[in-house]
Amino acid sequence: SQTIHQWPATLVQPVGSPLSLECTVEGTSNPNLYWYRQAAGRGLQLLFYSVGIGQISSEVPQNLSASRPQDRQFILSSKKLLLSDSGFYLCACIIPGLARNEQFFGPGTRLTVL
Amino acid sequence: DAKTTQPNSMESNEEEPVHLPCNHSTISGTDYIHWYRQLPSQGPEYVIHGLTSNVNNRMASLAIAEDRKSSTLILHRATLRDAAVYYCIQSGSARQLTFGSGTQLTVLP
Repeated sequence: SQTIHQWPATLVQPVGSPLSLECTVEGTSNPNLYWYRQAAGRGLQLLFYSVGIGQISSEVPQNLSASRPQDRQFILSSKKLLLSDSGFYLCACIIPGLARNEQFFGPGTRLTVL
Repeated sequence: DAKTTQPNSMESNEEEPVHLPCNHSTISGTDYIHWYRQLPSQGPEYVIHGLTSNVNNRMASLAIAEDRKSSTLILHRATLRDAAVYYCIQSGSARQLTFGSGTQLTVLP
């Protein structure tokens, strides 16, 4: 079965610093991959999704970017963090061909921007 | 924006059934109703989904109104581990899920 890893688990960064969050998936090939952000006490906001290597779709304009350099690797980046970038970042995937159509979520990265 | 409406919070006693309502009055004929739940400090997990007929699995049951404008997630015997935020989502595919604020379920011992 698939496993989603996210690194790091927690992160505290100053405003204006760069960011790189990594998501890797094991146990499947060619997954659809997603990045979500969850602000405190709120629902999940879809940031990016990818259907294949190098294919990224952005859902909201912002100072974040995403890349998919390998089939099972999804990276979320920023050149300069804002206070409003604080939140719980979740990576998710959909397994192609699975009978039950569901998104599987990773454990998340909690980012605090000071 | 989320297209479904759920109560912000609900309480239940342990080992009693819980009925979590959801309104989705704008649902189209091809939209499924998906339910996910999120335990504290974890990512959401799939609970159940359905189109028209009621659905059962090991976690819960989903009762869908005949006009499909509302549905109810049923936990048959709530446990303390069921305390979570429950999200009801209408979507044509799991590829596009819009999470609202959900219902915070508190289970009382």
